[in-house]
Amino acid sequence: GAVVSQHPSRVICKSGTSVKIECRSLDFQATTMFWYRQFPKKSLMLMATSNEGSKATYEQGVEKDKFLINHASLTLSTLTVTSAHPEDSSFYICSALPASGADTQYFGPGTRLTVL
Amino acid sequence: AQKITQTQPGMFVQEKEAVTLDCTYDTSDPSYGLFWYKQPSSGEMIFLIYQGSYDQQNATEGRYSLNFQKARKSANLVISASQLGDSAMYFCAMREGLESYQKVTFGTGTKLQVIP
Repeated sequence: GAVVSQHPSRVICKSGTSVKIECRSLDFQATTMFWYRQFPKKSLMLMATSNEGSKATYEQGVEKDKFLINHASLTLSTLTVTSAHPEDSSFYICSALPASGADTQYFGPGTRLTVL
Repeated sequence: AQKITQTQPGMFVQEKEAVTLDCTYDTSDPSYGLFWYKQPSSGEMIFLIYQGSYDQQNATEGRYSLNFQKARKSANLVISASQLGDSAMYFCAMREGLESYQKVTFGTGTKLQVIP
């Protein structure tokens, strides 16, 4: 149980285009999902907290207009990187918190974004 | 100030031996939770173990145990009988507050390599 998927696992795009990353909780409902960014050999940095049916809460320094987050259902949250630039290249990981209550959030497998 | 400190960027351990990965934390909140996650080279974050600040006993999960020293603010992970598959990055993390939706902060990680 507690499986979280992300799609796509890898994406390469041209500078200036937008990329959408999906995060799905497959076998549980998640009222809260988190989006993290991880640079090579670095720690996870929380970008935003996504709550179903409401606006995401962004961490300081994260541009909400650049990283659009939508949490339209209890099993799906999406992160759209708008007008991507090479510096947006990174590993993006989502996690989901079971609505039924759990000590830990469950992580997706991550999405490797490369912007050319 | 760093909230989570992992001072060992890399560790080696002989197969079948035990290894301790260090983690210290800083918080003034009496209610908090401590986590350890494993990140293999494939990228997914795997939850290993959780310790709440009010838990009287050290958490254990199979070969993993958390050595919780509250007064010293340390939460070291002990892996017993190391296996080759334990080679990975290990992240210590803390949630300030005991509510599962609250923000989790990650340390910089320790790369563990198990030697045959």
